Amino acid sequence: DTEVTQTPKHLVMGMTNKKSLKCEQHMGHRAMYWYKQKAKKPPELMFVYSYEKLSINESVPSRFSPECPNSSLLNLHLHALQPEDSALYLCASSQEDDTQYFGPGTRLTVL
Amino acid sequence: AQSVTQLGSHVSVSEGALVLLRCNYSSSVPPYLFWYVQYPNQGLQLLLKYTTGATLVKGINGFEAEFKKSETSFHLTKPSAHMSDAAEYFCAVSYQAGTALIFGKGTTLSVSS
Repeated sequence: DTEVTQTPKHLVMGMTNKKSLKCEQHMGHRAMYWYKQKAKKPPELMFVYSYEKLSINESVPSRFSPECPNSSLLNLHLHALQPEDSALYLCASSQEDDTQYFGPGTRLTVL
Repeated sequence: AQSVTQLGSHVSVSEGALVLLRCNYSSSVPPYLFWYVQYPNQGLQLLLKYTTGATLVKGINGFEAEFKKSETSFHLTKPSAHMSDAAEYFCAVSYQAGTALIFGKGTTLSVSS
């Protein structure tokens, strides 16, 4: 089974709201990723967690705050977002062979 | 900087025709190579991958790709297109585990009846 789940599927939020995106995998993968994808573009890496520790932060604004509570869960906390942050947010996980498996994504709209 | 080039942002074929999507990478060191497919409003699904071993790789849905080191290419093919193949296709490379995949810009495949 190579399933990565993400909730919610869709999220609409105002610029003053606080919300969280959730990602879960039960494949025993030790690396988990957040990507942002704008329309008609490839995904762009935001964060990487390796063995539950943040290993890469691609200069993402502080209004995005990742959290890895355990090896199966990855959250992305959102606060004071801007309309330009509207995008598809993808979670992925991988094992040592570096094959990344993606979740279905959360479609975020910031009003 | 490492890069991935997908030739042709849009490819159109007829149902039953050969599908050829091109991907070249820029490196003298062979990376790990991947093809992903993305249907509208969905995540990325792994089609196939090359890490080591046999250079002709077979994937899901009848797709295959051949790693050619001398040409730094990893083109994706399917002998006979189906309407359900219409989607966005991304070629990606990885040089180190636990880091970002480097994606090409994507190729939109259209299939007409």
